Amino acid sequence: EAQVTQNPRYLITVTGKKLTVTCSQNMNHEYMSWYRQDPGLGLRQIYYSMNVEVTDKGDVPEGYKVSRKEKRNFPLILESPSPNQTSLYFCASTPSRVSNEQFFGPGTRLTVL
Amino acid sequence: GENVEQHPSTLSVQEGDSAVIKCTYSDSASNYFPWYKQELGKRPQLIIDIRSNVGEKKDQRIAVTLNKTAKHFSLHITETQPEDSAVYFCAASIEGWVTGGGNKLTFGTGTQLKVEL
Repeated sequence: EAQVTQNPRYLITVTGKKLTVTCSQNMNHEYMSWYRQDPGLGLRQIYYSMNVEVTDKGDVPEGYKVSRKEKRNFPLILESPSPNQTSLYFCASTPSRVSNEQFFGPGTRLTVL
Repeated sequence: GENVEQHPSTLSVQEGDSAVIKCTYSDSASNYFPWYKQELGKRPQLIIDIRSNVGEKKDQRIAVTLNKTAKHFSLHITETQPEDSAVYFCAASIEGWVTGGGNKLTFGTGTQLKVEL
């Protein structure tokens, strides 16, 4: 089944404790991105990757890191999480530069205490 | 960069009525406009999209219209049903990776649609 997966789905952590949210797609998509969703703000792009080893900042990159060592995986890293990073996170992938249709993962609910 | 505004933020209709959600965008280069439906606790799901070479697209009870001159596009849902209750997001982007942002979608802030019996 073609899909985007994220883990964990729910995470409660404390300020300053490094964490990684994994994202994987099995559709051989070139483009992957991370969004955060907050009430009243919609979805905002954090980082994106246009291919292996090619990543760039989105609209709200502060406090986040990403890597793209393999085409299928695009982990989101919070080196020192803070309470303002409490949010719902979505990973998404797009097949190619021809189409902007994005396929979203199931989401990760992160709470930073 | 692109800015997308969406209205209204909440919309309540009676079952069977029509619902209209409107979005405006700022970047005249945007050429792809998807609409996503997000049910509570679920991921956004694409329900319909339109590209700038057409002015209207319809899929059963859902239609989207695009006015490139005015830079606005709208979602129309006819004969609403309780299962249409969800948050709807519009978005805008530039297809073809002609800019450095790749396939970035800029989203509106969402409309909570409630269909009442």
